[in-house]
Amino acid sequence: GAGVSQSPSNKVTEKGKDVELRCDPISGHTALYWYRQSLGQGLEFLIYFQGNSAPDKSGLPSDRFSAERTGGSVSTLTIQRTQQEDSAVYLCASSLATTGGYEQYFGPGTRLTVT
Amino acid sequence: RKEVEQDPGPFNVPEGATVAFNCTYSNSASQSFFWYRQDCRKEPKLLMSVYSSGNEDGRFTAQLNRASQYISLLIRDSKLSDSATYLCVVNFSTGGFKTIFGAGTRLFVKA
Repeated sequence: GAGVSQSPSNKVTEKGKDVELRCDPISGHTALYWYRQSLGQGLEFLIYFQGNSAPDKSGLPSDRFSAERTGGSVSTLTIQRTQQEDSAVYLCASSLATTGGYEQYFGPGTRLTVT
Repeated sequence: RKEVEQDPGPFNVPEGATVAFNCTYSNSASQSFFWYRQDCRKEPKLLMSVYSSGNEDGRFTAQLNRASQYISLLIRDSKLSDSATYLCVVNFSTGGFKTIFGAGTRLFVKA
């Protein structure tokens, strides 16, 4: 079946512009996660959504970052007034749930470059 | 102390060698554990879950030691294609669900 998809695959933007990154999770997966990975670094947790519960935003690095998930499916991560330090690969993952040991499946990521 | 720690390596081993990685975690309420593999400039891919009784998948064996709070991954008969970064993942639900990835251990298998 279809895996997690993300768009765009690459995004180059100028400092100060806003960007939107999209994630389509695996159908039926109730949990959705966003991570950020800078070159040569580990995964940095940003936010996760579980069903209709309020999202856990504890990993968002600043108030320039926000995310929403409409209809329990597609999610959009928005970065306002982008800075050069926002350059990274943004990864989305989904899982059946957040309890019971369900595995996360990742999309291919969006490579964001802020010039 | 980080909540999940891994030896960053790199581990450089010849083909056919056996190599083992450990991943320590600090939260004793941790509930589920996984190993992922990440190739250069690719997304992480699930390698295997880690069960309390230990589990094996071909050349790969994963074990959990709750008393000492670590998980391990053993790779037997290493192949060139095993070269990658191996990430451990720990999930726990204390005060709300949390998932933490280790920073990864780099493995290079050479001919």
